[in-house]
Amino acid sequence: GQNIDQPTEMTATEGAIVQINCTYQTSGFNGLFWYQQHAGEAPTFLSYNVLDGLEEKGRFSSFLSRSKGYSYLLLKELQMKDSASYLCAVRDSNYQLIWGAGTKLIIKP
Amino acid sequence: ETGVTQTPRHLVMGMTNKKSLKCEQHLGHNAMYWYKQSAKKPLELMFVYSLEERVENNSVPSRFSPECPNSSHLFLHLHTLQPEDSALYLCASSQDPSTGSDTQYFGPGTRLTVL
Repeated sequence: GQNIDQPTEMTATEGAIVQINCTYQTSGFNGLFWYQQHAGEAPTFLSYNVLDGLEEKGRFSSFLSRSKGYSYLLLKELQMKDSASYLCAVRDSNYQLIWGAGTKLIIKP
Repeated sequence: ETGVTQTPRHLVMGMTNKKSLKCEQHLGHNAMYWYKQSAKKPLELMFVYSLEERVENNSVPSRFSPECPNSSHLFLHLHTLQPEDSALYLCASSQDPSTGSDTQYFGPGTRLTVL
């Protein structure tokens, strides 16, 4: 079967750096997405990786290793507004999006 | 504001009621989706419409009935629901689901409670 694994919950301190990992086992690979979802709100697109390596977008970076079936989302200079759930999703060979259960990130002052 | 709106935002219904959820996208996309989101579970894809044609129906019970009258509007008709159907129902749209980089844009969801 197809599977996406991410930690259920993480805690970090304001101003620090946190890395949220995502491992996947899917039938084929056509890219990996990260979304942010604040409580009670819509998931919003953060990043898309299809090639190995690191993509940086301001305070957020996303890394992909296709050979290891692994990605991470790196958040720097954490702010209280970064408290949210972070969803990892992989597009498989049939172009279906396979979703992880999300990682709830709690930021403490 | 993502360009996808959903109404109502909250809905409480009894098991014998009939209600409908509405979704509208203002992004000019060609595909629309219904997802179910339950606590601590992955998003469950329910239905996909591409160019107003249903292309996906993931073994969803018949008490959920989608309708896509045009590329901008999507409905989910609900009848005789069960308490386990209580969840957040998310609508999304995208440009072309047959491409790898196709990004889905989500509405804020309808929080449904079935009593």
